[in-house]
Amino acid sequence: GAGVSQSPSNKVTEKGKDVELRCDPISGHTALYWYRQSLGQGLEFLIYFQGNSAPDKSGLPSDRFSAERTGGSVSTLTIQRTQQEDSAVYLCASSLAKGIPGELFFGEGSRLTVL
Amino acid sequence: SQKIEQNSEALNIQEGKTATLTCNYTNYSPAYLQWYRQDPGRGPVFLLLIRENEKEKRKERLKVTFDTTLKQSLFHITASQPADSATYLCALPKYNFNKFYFGSGTKLNVKP
Repeated sequence: GAGVSQSPSNKVTEKGKDVELRCDPISGHTALYWYRQSLGQGLEFLIYFQGNSAPDKSGLPSDRFSAERTGGSVSTLTIQRTQQEDSAVYLCASSLAKGIPGELFFGEGSRLTVL
Repeated sequence: SQKIEQNSEALNIQEGKTATLTCNYTNYSPAYLQWYRQDPGRGPVFLLLIRENEKEKRKERLKVTFDTTLKQSLFHITASQPADSATYLCALPKYNFNKFYFGSGTKLNVKP
């Protein structure tokens, strides 16, 4: 596709369940970011992938959160044993290359609601 | 880590006027600064990038300034239109570009 694609667009789950959020970046973009945006708040960095390098996981809020990127393309963010405070919009962005000051291309986000 | 401050109060202006939004940051000075627009229910969209050695950057009705001494960027929309109503976010990269710090954004309302 032409842009960053995220699925599902909306997810409602019960507390304690696991969820998986998917991000399909723009073809050829080597950098991929996950951010979280709570209502009325700014973007909170979660994790960064760059090519085949080890990901920067410094923003993951707890060990219930994990992410992987297969084949340098599609990424999955997994939240285990979801809590109500995990409710937010999860945004994925990709960018062309490291070290080049360029723009981040964002997907439309996955809105997660934990009941 | 970097702290970024944007006015959390919405900015309400009349169509045709110039809107001015502020982004202040602390700690290190970044190599560049970006501005994004976010509409409700959508992901942010890149608007402009200004480098640390540039005082001003323009794109159509948009103008961005970058004062590394004051640690501040101003974002101007001239001849504003109701379609400009959105939330505007500023973003700064970490030195090795492995993350971008975002402000919480300022909501702009342009009234016809």
